[in-house]
Amino acid sequence: AQSVTQPDIHITVSEGASLELRCNYSYGATPYLFWYVQSPGQGLQLLLKYFSGDTLVQGIKGFEAEFKRSQSSFNLRKPSVHWSDAAEYFCAANSGGSNYKLTFGKGTLLTVNP
Amino acid sequence: DVKVTQSSRYLVKRTGEKVFLECVQDMDHENMFWYRQDPGLGLRLIYFSYDVKMKEKGDIPEGYSVSREKKERFSLILESASTNQTSMYLCASGTSVRYEQYFGPGTRLTVT
Repeated sequence: AQSVTQPDIHITVSEGASLELRCNYSYGATPYLFWYVQSPGQGLQLLLKYFSGDTLVQGIKGFEAEFKRSQSSFNLRKPSVHWSDAAEYFCAANSGGSNYKLTFGKGTLLTVNP
Repeated sequence: DVKVTQSSRYLVKRTGEKVFLECVQDMDHENMFWYRQDPGLGLRLIYFSYDVKMKEKGDIPEGYSVSREKKERFSLILESASTNQTSMYLCASGTSVRYEQYFGPGTRLTVT
């Protein structure tokens, strides 16, 4: 079955430190890949997406993600975390074609220490 | 910018009441979705619609119905609310080409 896994439920980093959030997918072919962020009590905001081409994708708020086919991964990174980045982050995938549904990971909660 | 709005941010209803949650998008998207989000369970798809008057069940449709009479509007209906439907409800819209979805701010529903 198609699935998206975020191995880390909760990550804590210090402000100014670098960040990497992990995402692995299990699909027959390379899916379309997305990262979303959800601030407390809010909806999800699209950070970035990967369809094809360059495996390093730039997004909003200074985030980037790297697609690695050999590792079935799409990890989210940020070189220097700000306190306002504290939120929950979701990785999602879609197999394309006539399937419009997204499969979401369970999310990673990011805490930022001052 | 895509804008998805939901009729209420917070809602408190009694057990057995009929509840309507409404979602409106302004980007002429073909697809619209209703999710519920619970701690530890992530996002679960309740229903989605790929065209006016068309709908498909998601992963947890029991106890819910939907209506899409106009392209921009997608309603979620709880026919007889129960306490186990207390949750955060998120609406999203998207195109049939790009696959990404755009979310509304959510409705936190409490059923007492």
